[in-house]
Amino acid sequence: SQTIHQWPATLVQPVGSPLSLECTVEGTSNPNLYWYRQAAGRGLQLLFYSVGIGQISSEVPQNLSASRPQDRQFILSSKKLLLSDSGFYLCAWSVDRPPETQYFGPGTRLLVL
Amino acid sequence: ELKVEQNPLFLSMQEGKNYTIYCNYSTTSDRLYWYRQDPGKSLESLFVLLSNGAVKQEGRLMASLDTKARLSTLHITAAVHDLSATYFCAVTRGSNYKLTFGKGTLLTVNP
Repeated sequence: SQTIHQWPATLVQPVGSPLSLECTVEGTSNPNLYWYRQAAGRGLQLLFYSVGIGQISSEVPQNLSASRPQDRQFILSSKKLLLSDSGFYLCAWSVDRPPETQYFGPGTRLLVL
Repeated sequence: ELKVEQNPLFLSMQEGKNYTIYCNYSTTSDRLYWYRQDPGKSLESLFVLLSNGAVKQEGRLMASLDTKARLSTLHITAAVHDLSATYFCAVTRGSNYKLTFGKGTLLTVNP
């Protein structure tokens, strides 16, 4: 069966510090991978998605970036965090096989102070 | 631009009652999804609806899709406290399977 991992689970960072969040998927090959952010009391915002190694599409211009160095690894980064980067970051995966859905990881809660 | 609207955004129910959450979307969609999110937790997939007239049921929840009206409903039958959560609908278009989410409906079931 497939599983998705995210770490860390919780992170408190000062403004201006760098960020690296990691997501890995097990039990599937060549998944589509996604990063979402959910701000407090708000809906989900798609940040990045990837259909293959090194292929990243950005949905929202901001100070975040994403990379996919391996087939089942997706990394979200920032060089300098802003207060507005606080939120719940969710990684998700899907495969090109109908019926289709996106499966979400446990999430990383980020607080920027 | 694909837009998804849910209503109501907040719903307080008594146990044993029935209610419906509505999800409208703006343009033709390939698939419609319903997810559940418990407080502080991730999203759990409930249903995927693929075609006009599709109906799926799991326990006290039943989802349906009317592609002509661009409307999906999530019907709750005889609500119980365990159903308290935020429910999201989402739609997708195209081959990349990007999902566009509604703002979510916060459901509270009171004893």
